[in-house]
Parts: sequence; structure tokens; C-alpha cells
Amino acid sequence: DAGITQSPRHKVTETGTPVTLRCHQTENHRYMYWYRQDPGHGLRLIHYSYGVKDTDKGEVSDGYSVSRSKTEDFLLTLESATSSQTSVYFCAISERQDFVFAGELFFGEGSRLTVL
Amino acid sequence: AQSVTQLDSHVSVSEGTPVLLRCNYSSSYSPSLFWYVQHPNKGLQLLLKYTSAATLVKGINGFEAEFKKSETSFHLTKPSAHMSDAAEYFCVVSVGGGSYIPTFGRGTSLIVHP
Repeated sequence: DAGITQSPRHKVTETGTPVTLRCHQTENHRYMYWYRQDPGHGLRLIHYSYGVKDTDKGEVSDGYSVSRSKTEDFLLTLESATSSQTSVYFCAISERQDFVFAGELFFGEGSRLTVL
Repeated sequence: AQSVTQLDSHVSVSEGTPVLLRCNYSSSYSPSLFWYVQHPNKGLQLLLKYTSAATLVKGINGFEAEFKKSETSFHLTKPSAHMSDAAEYFCVVSVGGGSYIPTFGRGTSLIVHP
């Protein structure tokens, strides 16, 4: 199994509080992603990173920020949590297979966040 | 731009009968295509991937998929369903040569009846 750990795995917080989720990898993969999973929506990309200090927005980035100061760590921050951010958050990593084809994603076990 | 459409939100089969989960994609460049499975309250596991010249791809647990460029499809099949196949299945498209942003379909829930 790929070495990806997410922390915390479960968190309950109140509206308006800041929350940081951490993703740590031991695979030295270049690409890292944060997705949220909600019923009926599949996995939607929040932010992604293609290298240290290189990040970009996904389709549902409003209310989220990320940082990647080291290859192995990718942090997702909710500056002021809202109830609509209650979700399961997955971190994933990948590496390119070759110039044409992308490599597969390896996933963390998920972080369940509840915002009251 | 790229997108993926899973044509069925739910598929119900009887144990021992064939499984077909449909996926269509849109991509401006040569796509990489994947199927992932998620069992209840679990993470996602790779079933199979199309990332080479072979258009018929075999995966784990007897699943396979065929890449059809003319139909922009990548349907997942299995000859005989097992109770343990009951799960959520996701089709994913990613385009290489750039930032490798994988895009997920909304998922198909496979229900297997005894």
C-alpha cells in the first residue's frame, strides 16, 4: 500500500472555527490532491499541487486554502468552517506514467469533518 | 477541458449475472482512464486503468473495460457478479502532458441481489 496518511481522521467543529487537515506521503510523488466526497457528487477536486509551493484551484475551492512547503506534506485549511463544508475529505497522490499517460491515484483513508 | 459521465447512478443485478457499468468521457487530448471501487466506509481502490495501447484492459477481481475511442466510452464489465462486488464505482479521466488533473464521474452504486 502507498504510504499516505491523513490527519485527523475524524473531526467535529463549530461554524466559524479554522480547521486544518494534513496529508503526508512517503512515496515522493509530485502530484497531490484534495477532494471532497458528498453523496450524489462523486469526488470533487478542491485544490491540487504539482510541486513544492506550486498549487492551483480545483472546481470547489471557495472557502479552502492549501499549502505545500515540503514534497511530503499537503495541508488543507478551512479558514472559517461552515456547515456546507461538512464532508469526507480525501487526499490523493500520483506520478506521471510517461509523457502521454497519467499515473494512477493513490488515496488516503479519508477525513470525516462535521461542522455544527 | 475534460469530463466524465457515468450513465447510471444505480445498477442492480443478481448474483451470478453479468455486470455492465457505463462511462463516457470527453477529452481534448489522449486520455488516461481509470475505474476505482469504494466499499462502504472505505477508501478508494484501483480496479483497472487504460494507460497504454491495449484497448481491452483487465483488472482485479475479474473486472475488465474496453477503451473505445470512436464512442468515447470506457465501460466496465464482469461476467458474473458476486455479493462482494456491491460497492460504489467511479470512472476517472485524466489528461497527461500537463498538470494531470483527474476528473471523477458521479459514481455508480452496484447492488447485488442473492
